[in-house]
Amino acid sequence: EIVMTQTPLSSPVTLGQPASISCKSNQNLVHSDGNTYLSWLQQRPGQPPRLLIYQISKRFSGVPDRFSGSGAGTDFTLKISRVEAEDVGVYYCMQATQFPRTFGQGTKVEIK
Amino acid sequence: EVQLLESGGGLIQPGGSLRLSCAPSGLPFSTYAINWVRLAPGKGLEWVSLIPNSGVDTYYADAVKGRFTVSRDNSKNTFYLQMSGLRAEDTAVYYCVEGWPQLLYWGQGTLVTVSS
Repeated sequence: EIVMTQTPLSSPVTLGQPASISCKSNQNLVHSDGNTYLSWLQQRPGQPPRLLIYQISKRFSGVPDRFSGSGAGTDFTLKISRVEAEDVGVYYCMQATQFPRTFGQGTKVEIK
Repeated sequence: EVQLLESGGGLIQPGGSLRLSCAPSGLPFSTYAINWVRLAPGKGLEWVSLIPNSGVDTYYADAVKGRFTVSRDNSKNTFYLQMSGLRAEDTAVYYCVEGWPQLLYWGQGTLVTVSS
């Protein structure tokens, strides 16, 4: 199975400042169809997770443009350009290139 | 807007069985591909299973293979996760999630507690 490793696991940030989360896979995530199925999800306290980014860099419906994704192959990054209070929560990367789908351990974003 | 409503969670003894239900709305039933993803206390997200819109093939995590079965009932517009041989480590909030390959839409989750 593909192992996803996120860093950092905790990220205290100042409101209005940027934040960045790294996600590395132990196998290349390029699918045989040519797409790379790497997603980012957000779970706010007390809420179910929601999809933010899919296929590395595509924002899902309703996701603010302060969220952006980048990367290729085995190295990926989620960036929040200016953190807002509503961004507090746990962020997960996930690969859907192979079965079983696997997630990173999660990164907790909190306000300093 | 796609919405997913899970039900069926509860307290169950080790070795017991439980069936979770997921009722989606917002799209034609035949188009849904439904995943089950769980979040155990103090842990991260874990993908459990997928039944694609074809309903022909199904996919499972190794941790549940042979114990859990996913299905769809087209007459009731409902998906099911039949869980048997439950263990303490199956304790989690179980989410019904629509999408293939991406996990697009998430339900609110239903709590399953396996304890004597």
